[in-house]
Amino acid sequence: GQQVQQSPASLVLQEGENAELQCNFSSTATRLQWFYQRPGGSLVSLLSNPSGTKHTGRLTSTTVTKERRGSLHISSSQITDSGTYLCAMGQGGRALIFGTGTTVSVSP
Amino acid sequence: NSKVIQTPRYLVKGQGQKAKMRCIPEKGHPVVFWYQQNKNNEFKFLINFQNQEVLQQIDMTEKRFSAECPSNSPCSLEIQSSEAGDSALYLCASSLRRGRDTEVFFGKGTRLTVV
Repeated sequence: GQQVQQSPASLVLQEGENAELQCNFSSTATRLQWFYQRPGGSLVSLLSNPSGTKHTGRLTSTTVTKERRGSLHISSSQITDSGTYLCAMGQGGRALIFGTGTTVSVSP
Repeated sequence: NSKVIQTPRYLVKGQGQKAKMRCIPEKGHPVVFWYQQNKNNEFKFLINFQNQEVLQQIDMTEKRFSAECPSNSPCSLEIQSSEAGDSALYLCASSLRRGRDTEVFFGKGTRLTVV
């Protein structure tokens, strides 16, 4: 079936470092949506874009749908960025298909 | 910030008991999704609605799970006879429309524990 794979599974950063999270998907997508989740917490939508590059704050999402890949760049990481980052693939109005996430730990 | 409201936040049920959770989508959002997230971060889509009409649902949902989104009332997801494997975080999401670029917003979830 359709799959979304995220890498790396986990990432340890020193505060101030940049990070690049990858997302690959197995079939045609019309958009990627990135979410952030703390342990036991709700999903917060970070960025959603069908293709190209989109920014918000220190986050940049790049989606190349024809190559079935996307990435989330975190610049100047902060301790409060620690948590799980989830990539989800959308196909028109159908339900999102999620990856299993990248767990980010930022230490001082 | 998402304005999808889910209640209760936590639910504890015995095996065989009914478990019911509710969701109020963001105002003006006609499309509602239910997902199950297990302890391994795996998401399983359960069902979605546009207004009161079911758009998609999986086989599991058809057997022990029931859901509805009546007009002017919260949406609900009910497990008729809870099993240990149903313990998970149940997430409700809503979106403005079914479309190529439509962003989806999630509530805080209902964490179900079946003992």
